[in-house]
Amino acid sequence: EMVMTQSPGTLSVSPGERVTLSCRASQGFSTNLAWFQQKPGQPPSLLVYDASARASGVPARFSGSGSGTDFTLTISSLQSEDFAVYYCQQYNNWPYTFGQGTKLEIK
Amino acid sequence: QVQLHESGPGLVKPSETLSLTCTVSGASINSDYWGWVRQTAGEGLEWIGRFVPSGSAVYNPSLKTRVAMSRDTSKNQFSLKLNSVTASDTALYFCVRDLNIWGRGTMVTVSS
Repeated sequence: EMVMTQSPGTLSVSPGERVTLSCRASQGFSTNLAWFQQKPGQPPSLLVYDASARASGVPARFSGSGSGTDFTLTISSLQSEDFAVYYCQQYNNWPYTFGQGTKLEIK
Repeated sequence: QVQLHESGPGLVKPSETLSLTCTVSGASINSDYWGWVRQTAGEGLEWIGRFVPSGSAVYNPSLKTRVAMSRDTSKNQFSLKLNSVTASDTALYFCVRDLNIWGRGTMVTVSS
């Protein structure tokens, strides 16, 4: 099973800041990676698929990059509604696996 | 728009079988990929299994001996059965379409 490791576990940031979240895979693959945002009481919501393609309706401040074993999600200027937990998920190998999440909290 | 709704008992006794149904509206389960994901505080998010468009199911090897998924195309529903449950199966269970459509989830607690 492919292990996805996200860092950091928690990130304290201020609105307006630029943040970069990391996701590392235990095995290399191309770009079959997605990023999700989850807010309390809600299911995860797809932000990015194929490592860098924004899902429908996702603001342009969210961007994904990477391939192989290292992937990043960048939020160019944090808005108040972006404070949430972010997960990466690989869908290259079954079983698909998620990272443990990075929580963005208000500084 | 596509909507998914999970239903089933919220409480299951240890060693018994957890049964959930996902009712889909706005899309046909005959196409696309449909599956189940669960979320626990300890283990995070975990894929349980998914259907491919042909209708066959693949299961997470960690659960394969205990899980069965089925679908009823006439009702546009698919179901999950997980047997011999323990407290570690206590989780929020989501049905999903591919990556982008999720149900709101249903909490299942395993307890006597």
